[in-house]
Amino acid sequence: DIQMTQSPSSLSASVGDRVTITCRASQSISSYLNWYQQKPGKAPKLLIYAASSLQSGVPSRFSGSGSGTDFTLTISSLQPEDFATYYCQQSYSTPPIFTFGPGTKVDIK
Amino acid sequence: QVQLQESGPGLVKPSQTLSLTCTVSGGSISSGDYYWSWIRQPPGKGLEWIGYIYYSGSTYYNPSLKSRVTISVDTSKNQFSLKLSSVTAADTAVYYCARVADYGDLYYFDYWGQGTLVTVSS
Repeated sequence: DIQMTQSPSSLSASVGDRVTITCRASQSISSYLNWYQQKPGKAPKLLIYAASSLQSGVPSRFSGSGSGTDFTLTISSLQPEDFATYYCQQSYSTPPIFTFGPGTKVDIK
Repeated sequence: QVQLQESGPGLVKPSQTLSLTCTVSGGSISSGDYYWSWIRQPPGKGLEWIGYIYYSGSTYYNPSLKSRVTISVDTSKNQFSLKLSSVTAADTAVYYCARVADYGDLYYFDYWGQGTLVTVSS
């Protein structure tokens, strides 16, 4: 089974900060990596698919990179509405099996 | 705009079967363009994928839950359903239904229901 880890598990940041979250897979998953944002009491929202493709309607301050085992989600200038928990998710297999990372909580410094 | 809505009991007794339904609007399950999935999240914890179904009825389940899970589809009602048997307190969670889209061989959850909290307690 492919295991996903994220670092850090939480971080505190200020509005305007550049924020980077890392996701690591236990084996190579090529670019089969997606990122989601979840706010309290709400369903997750897709931000990035295929490691670096921005989902329609998602602000361009969000970007993703990486391939193989190491991936990064970057928020270029943190906005008040970006305080949330972020999850990575892999689907590297046929048929697909989905595994989420444990999440990274971004809160206000 | 596709919308998904979960429905079902919010309280289930231990050892009984949890049953939920997801109603899809704004798109047809029968289109064959997507898979349809269930995901859960225990209070204060992360996300766990449960399984998915195709309009034809083919399914795939998380191996850790496979022995207790059944997902079915009713294309006439544009709904799909989850049954989880022999529940314990560890199955207490918010249950989400979601649409699975694909980008080549990569799959992602692009539309989600709002989620429904199911508590397992006597």
